[in-house]
Amino acid sequence: DAGVTQSPTHLIKTRGQQVTLRCSPKSGHDTVSWYQQALGQGPQFIFQYYEEEERQRGNFPDRFSGHQFPNYSSELNVNALLLGDSALYLCASTPDRGRSNEQFFGPGTRLTVL
Amino acid sequence: QKEVEQDPGPLSVPEGAIVSLNCTYSNSAFQYFMWYRQYSRKGPELLMYTYSSGNKEDGRFTAQVDKSSKYISLFIRDSQPSDSATYLCAMTFKFSGGYNKLIFGAGTRLAVHP
Repeated sequence: DAGVTQSPTHLIKTRGQQVTLRCSPKSGHDTVSWYQQALGQGPQFIFQYYEEEERQRGNFPDRFSGHQFPNYSSELNVNALLLGDSALYLCASTPDRGRSNEQFFGPGTRLTVL
Repeated sequence: QKEVEQDPGPLSVPEGAIVSLNCTYSNSAFQYFMWYRQYSRKGPELLMYTYSSGNKEDGRFTAQVDKSSKYISLFIRDSQPSDSATYLCAMTFKFSGGYNKLIFGAGTRLAVHP
């Protein structure tokens, strides 16, 4: 079992650009959540996807959007990048329609905005 | 005030010491209490989780929850240099649909020196 995988590992962008991050959940998991972890902080919930729909969103602007595909993999898109978007972006997958209390995290994508 | 407070440390201890890590929280709706370990530039790894007040032991790790005080702890016995990492407490907030998100503390950096 490969666990949760994310790509790319690192990314450098400039202000105003757009970025797409990808996540493949753990085998058998149907729910994907995205978190942003700024340096020295704990992860913050961005949103959660189930059945290809966003069903909860944290305190993040509409510049952050996502998508889930029929195979449960997911993308996180961020438009009009700001310096403050520099962070580690974590994907977490959960089985059982997100009702399980265990969320398994991927290694993250480190985004640097210059 | 943050929903979850955690002393960021850093905490430096000699090998073999007992380590105590703590978090306080303000939202009595939190149901499950987790501890994640995060090595540098990696994703968080779930160590253990508990539901009710009391202790839960797993090898060298003991998680303690006091819901009346809104206080949780993680104890590490016989600490090893390989335990050097950031320890994140997390709590589940359950939505009306039964699925949940995680609310994290800022993480405590632990260094165990030989």
